[in-house]
Amino acid sequence: AQKVTQAQTEISVVEKEDVTLDCVYETRDTTYYLFWYKQPPSGELVFLIRRNSFDEQNEISGRYSWNFQKSTSSFNFTITASQVVDSAVYFCALSEEASGSARQLTFGSGTQLTVLP
Amino acid sequence: SAVISQKPSRDICQRGTSLTIQCQVDSQVTMMFWYRQQPGQSLTLIATANQGSEATYESGFVIDKFPISRPNLTFSTLTVSNMSPEDSSIYLCSVSPQGRSYNEQFFGPGTRLTVL
Repeated sequence: AQKVTQAQTEISVVEKEDVTLDCVYETRDTTYYLFWYKQPPSGELVFLIRRNSFDEQNEISGRYSWNFQKSTSSFNFTITASQVVDSAVYFCALSEEASGSARQLTFGSGTQLTVLP
Repeated sequence: SAVISQKPSRDICQRGTSLTIQCQVDSQVTMMFWYRQQPGQSLTLIATANQGSEATYESGFVIDKFPISRPNLTFSTLTVSNMSPEDSSIYLCSVSPQGRSYNEQFFGPGTRLTVL
């Protein structure tokens, strides 16, 4: 069975600090996909990134970067020079290739990030 | 990405009544999913809405409580039946667009339901 753990329930930082959100996953499948979503107070889920299990290259998009480590089953997310607008709940999610036609996502419990001015 | 709308955006309902939530997508999509997010919690998959056949429900969710329709490739409805305060949640529609990897999913804005 697949599982996603986000051990950090809440994180609070001061603006311009860097912050890393941790995500650890469990899966028996060799082909899987990892996601990060942002949920601002408005409630909408915003897609941030998708990585497949065969691509371990780290990715950078502006102030966002992702570190995928298969050896430790982790897919951590770093925000550089955080801003107040980054305040949101961030979810890590996993989808297994072998889960059939459904391809549903299993979500972690989320990390509430608060960036203070 | 697909543009997804949900109606209503929020509602306050009385115990024992039912509410139907609509999900509309601006393009044809292969897969549509319905998730529930209880207050302060993560998202849990309710069911996969299959076009032309019955929805596939996850453990703990049943058709009598959450009937789903999927009449075409751009539209689906979720009904929350015989509501109780425990059904107060955000209900989100999610789609996986045709021609894209099944594993790419985009979410609608959600429907905030409060049951009194």
